[in-house]
Amino acid sequence: NAGVTQTPKFRVLKTGQSMTLLCAQDMNHEYMYWYRQDPGMGLRLIHYSVGEGTTAKGEVPDGYNVSRLKKQNFLLGLESAAPSQTSVYFCASSDRGSGANVLTFGAGSRLTVL
Amino acid sequence: AQRVTQPEKLLSVFKGAPVELKCNYSYSGSPELFWYVQYSRQRLQLLLRHISRESIKGFTADLNKGETSFHLKKPFAQEEDSAMYYCAPPLSGSARQLTFGSGTQLTVLP
Repeated sequence: NAGVTQTPKFRVLKTGQSMTLLCAQDMNHEYMYWYRQDPGMGLRLIHYSVGEGTTAKGEVPDGYNVSRLKKQNFLLGLESAAPSQTSVYFCASSDRGSGANVLTFGAGSRLTVL
Repeated sequence: AQRVTQPEKLLSVFKGAPVELKCNYSYSGSPELFWYVQYSRQRLQLLLRHISRESIKGFTADLNKGETSFHLKKPFAQEEDSAMYYCAPPLSGSARQLTFGSGTQLTVLP
């Protein structure tokens, strides 16, 4: 049981390049989330999904796109990377009902945009 | 969205001293609050939730509706408690957003 797995763990991009971060969970969780973590800013929600085929914007969605084609996967895309997107990205998932408020996190993906 | 505030970005205490990490919430209704912790080079994990009223790793958190607070406390801090701590409200209704506080970096000095 791997929980939440994020790939890649590290990536360096040049401004304008595109990339996709993959999040996979094997707990059959309904909800999935992408956060970014920046010094002094804490965790900020980028996008989230309440089920397969659905996505919604969080606090800081600009410059990112997401897709949830399969229940176990939640992809975060950067179409044209900018230095302001240098951050550590965390994926999380949670179950329905009383478990919905308890998040299981991935190990994080450190992205540097030059 | 329901929000919480963590007023201290950094907090340092000496080993064996009491520690209190502050969290205030600003929404009405029946609050259900959580504390998450991130140790160095590890992923975030749930530390405790107020409805369970349990003590995890010596930490407790009491919901104070009068002060709208959910402060995290430990009577005797240990060096291994050094970590980033986040307070979080429950998912926000139908929007299902979970917005964390800005976090407090706790350093326990030897």
